[in-house]
Amino acid sequence: QQQVKQSPQSLIVQKGGISIINCAYENTAFDYFPWYQQFPGKGPALLIAIRPDVSEKKEGRFTISFNKSAKQFSLHIMDSQPGDSATYFCAARGNSGYALNFGKGTSLLVTP
Amino acid sequence: NAGVTQTPKFRILKIGQSMTLQCTQDMNHNYMYWYRQDPGMGLKLIYYSVGAGITDKGEVPNGYNVSRSTTEDFPLRLELAAPSQTSVYFCASTLGGEAFFGQGTRLTVV
Repeated sequence: QQQVKQSPQSLIVQKGGISIINCAYENTAFDYFPWYQQFPGKGPALLIAIRPDVSEKKEGRFTISFNKSAKQFSLHIMDSQPGDSATYFCAARGNSGYALNFGKGTSLLVTP
Repeated sequence: NAGVTQTPKFRILKIGQSMTLQCTQDMNHNYMYWYRQDPGMGLKLIYYSVGAGITDKGEVPNGYNVSRSTTEDFPLRLELAAPSQTSVYFCASTLGGEAFFGQGTRLTVV
């Protein structure tokens, strides 16, 4: 079964707006929560990541909010730009060889 | 640094044929992975390796085999291709933090 649940499946945001993508997990053994960005025809690339002892991490326009008690985390993209249009995956790392468990992805379109 | 390199980029196979997807990394990472990506389904782990000579099954290993004879290389073998194996395959590696992905192999089985 899907160990990481991601929503929404797709998102349309106007340029300058805020994009918000949410993820939830069940396994409390997960110890690392990255977000990956993928452009068509390319492999996923790490965007930002957080560990469960921190409630928020910000890098430029990208922020992860983490709620350990609710087992939820989210990605916020401030001042969204057309160049941010891509598919975003949340993930959680378990203890099977550091393998990542991915959400199903969110297709983000930022309109001019 | 080339990072993670996958070959081929595209391949069409007939049902029942076999092939090997190649993956090599030049970052001296111990951990390597094979994922498959299907539309709307995210990435699912096929096999992983924690070092040369050590491999283990992931979530969807049926129909695939792997080997890890060196730190650099982690090939994925399809023995009897089936239409259900039509997908995009990604290889990845890590030292334990950020995972680096290759550009993918798009495989179609007809």
